[in-house]
Amino acid sequence: KAGVTQTPRYLIKTRGQQVTLSCSPISGHRSVSWYQQTPGQGLQFLFEYFSETQRNKGNFPGRFSGRQFSNSRSEMNVSTLELGDSALYLCASSLRGLAGAHNEQFFGPGTRLTVL
Amino acid sequence: QQQVKQSPQSLIVQKGGISIINCAYENTAFDYFPWYQQFPGKGPALLIAIRPDVSEKKEGRFTISFNKSAKQFSLHIMDSQPGDSATYFCAARGRSGGSNYKLTFGKGTLLTVNP
Repeated sequence: KAGVTQTPRYLIKTRGQQVTLSCSPISGHRSVSWYQQTPGQGLQFLFEYFSETQRNKGNFPGRFSGRQFSNSRSEMNVSTLELGDSALYLCASSLRGLAGAHNEQFFGPGTRLTVL
Repeated sequence: QQQVKQSPQSLIVQKGGISIINCAYENTAFDYFPWYQQFPGKGPALLIAIRPDVSEKKEGRFTISFNKSAKQFSLHIMDSQPGDSATYFCAARGRSGGSNYKLTFGKGTLLTVNP
């Protein structure tokens, strides 16, 4: 079974631009969560999507948004990029999300975003 | 507000030794405590997890000890090997502000096992 895939793996943008990151979950998984990983703050939860609906959201500004498609693939968008948005963005998929009994999350390799 | 505190930030252990990583939490509503292992260039991978009704869980060389009254849990890696060198994250699952479940992570421990 193929794992979680994220594209692109690396991205360089400048301040003020916007960026879209993509995540394809494991086949059959309906929940996709996004995390931001930085050396200073560690792993921070951005949001979770389940069956095309945002089910939970972390404490990030509205510049961070996401969506999920009917095939469970998800995209994350960051508008008006700031230097502090430089991070590794991780996507994790699970069968039914964190609330379920089988709630293991499988992480992708991440997208390394650098904002200049 | 950091709800899961992890220590130490880094740890160096000799091959064959025991690695111990500790985490403490504040939210008594947390109900699931996983540990993740992350190698450079890879995403975190679930290593082992425990629920608060159990005081210890062992899987191979990896053991979680859980102390509900102290709100602490720890990861023990027995017979540590150079291949265990990675960053380890503890996490806790819970609801925040009445919303749905999410995972809150500790800031990670960089483990180096010397040959």
